[in-house]
Amino acid sequence: GAVVSQHPSRVICKSGTSVKIECRSLDFQATTMFWYRQFPKKSLMLMATSNEGSKATYEQGVEKDKFLINHASLTLSTLTVTSAHPEDSSFYICSARDESTGTANTGELFFGEGSRLTVL
Amino acid sequence: QQQVKQSPQSLIVQKGGISIINCAYENTAFDYFPWYQQFPGKGPALLIAIRPDVSEKKEGRFTISFNKSAKQFSLHIMDSQPGDSATYFCAAVVDRGSTLGRLYFGRGTQLTVWP
Repeated sequence: GAVVSQHPSRVICKSGTSVKIECRSLDFQATTMFWYRQFPKKSLMLMATSNEGSKATYEQGVEKDKFLINHASLTLSTLTVTSAHPEDSSFYICSARDESTGTANTGELFFGEGSRLTVL
Repeated sequence: QQQVKQSPQSLIVQKGGISIINCAYENTAFDYFPWYQQFPGKGPALLIAIRPDVSEKKEGRFTISFNKSAKQFSLHIMDSQPGDSATYFCAAVVDRGSTLGRLYFGRGTQLTVWP
């Protein structure tokens, strides 16, 4: 089945530094990818929708300058947490849609394994 | 505003028993209802999904029951096993147009199956 790969799976950084997380669709192309944030024992919160070749669409309350999203190709989206602070520590998960499956306007969403960010 | 309401928050079931998780929604535009299973430290994995034109879908030990008029759907896990212990999320999506793929998740249910 389709696979979405995230890298790194774990990252520890110092406060004030920037961290980049990659999300790749390994065997399908995805014009749209989604970035979620998940706190311990909580649900997934959609942060933004990443669109290949255009600007990402951010959810209300998510800082665009803080969480930079770039969807440079049909198989890669990146999330950069800029000037990270301890409150940015979280589990970040991406998902991508395999638009080749299902009928028109449908398609299965696949999630990456997640990236655990710890900001010291 | 929680678009999809899920209950219970936690569930403890004995091995071999039936686990039932319920979800409700308000937006009648939702047209795809997936369930996801998540193990600690891992991303969610699609378990089973249903569209509102059917009332039930079964895949192995997992069954979704869907009540369109009540705007409710539930996940039944038959013969629950310790390996089913995980967090389960229901979700809903308006699966077309600009919202294609935009999932609204329930808060999750922590399932523990005792051996």
